[in-house]
Amino acid sequence: SQKIEQNSEALNIQEGKTATLTCNYTNYSPAYLQWYRQDPGRGPVFLLLIRENEKEKRKERLKVTFDTTLKQSLFHITASQPADSATYLCALDMYSGTASKLTFGTGTRLQVTL
Amino acid sequence: NAGVMQNPRHLVRRRGQEARLRCSPMKGHSHVYWYRQLPEEGLKFMVYLQKENIIDESGMPKERFSAEFPKEGPSILRIQQVVRGDSAAYFCASSPAGAGRISGANVLTFGAGSRLTVL
Repeated sequence: SQKIEQNSEALNIQEGKTATLTCNYTNYSPAYLQWYRQDPGRGPVFLLLIRENEKEKRKERLKVTFDTTLKQSLFHITASQPADSATYLCALDMYSGTASKLTFGTGTRLQVTL
Repeated sequence: NAGVMQNPRHLVRRRGQEARLRCSPMKGHSHVYWYRQLPEEGLKFMVYLQKENIIDESGMPKERFSAEFPKEGPSILRIQQVVRGDSAAYFCASSPAGAGRISGANVLTFGAGSRLTVL
């Protein structure tokens, strides 16, 4: 079965720096890879998605890359702010032909300090 | 335009009791998913439903757990004879049918979750 690995250790960075989070997966590449943000006590919120035939996607300060050869996605937050502190989850869209469901990684906690 | 509504937000049960968690999907969404999140663990898929149909229940424990999404009313996740290991946050998410999707992808809108504590 598909395994999704995200760095379980928290990532601590200084305000203004670029945060880079990694998502690795095994087996076959999904049709889509999505990134969500989760704050404590709340449900995940969708941020960005990238298709298997896309190399890079941007949205404001966010950038996602997708390398199907390495089976890896990188999630970048440029000019990070303390408000960016949260847990970031990657999710693979495993479409089976009749239904799709998202399989999530365990998430990486980002802490942005002043 | 209310999002995904889950209730109760917090539920305390004693071992052996039943827990019922409710989820009203976002307006216009016809697909409902239930996920479970244990402390320090990721979201684990449980079940995927459309109105009156269970599409995929591969993540549901074989016993004590059931889910439904009736024609009228919210989706219900039911846990019978709860045990301490059932303590977790249960998240419901919804998505539109294919035509309403972002770039064709199945983007989920999550509720705030229901936190079950079993004493």
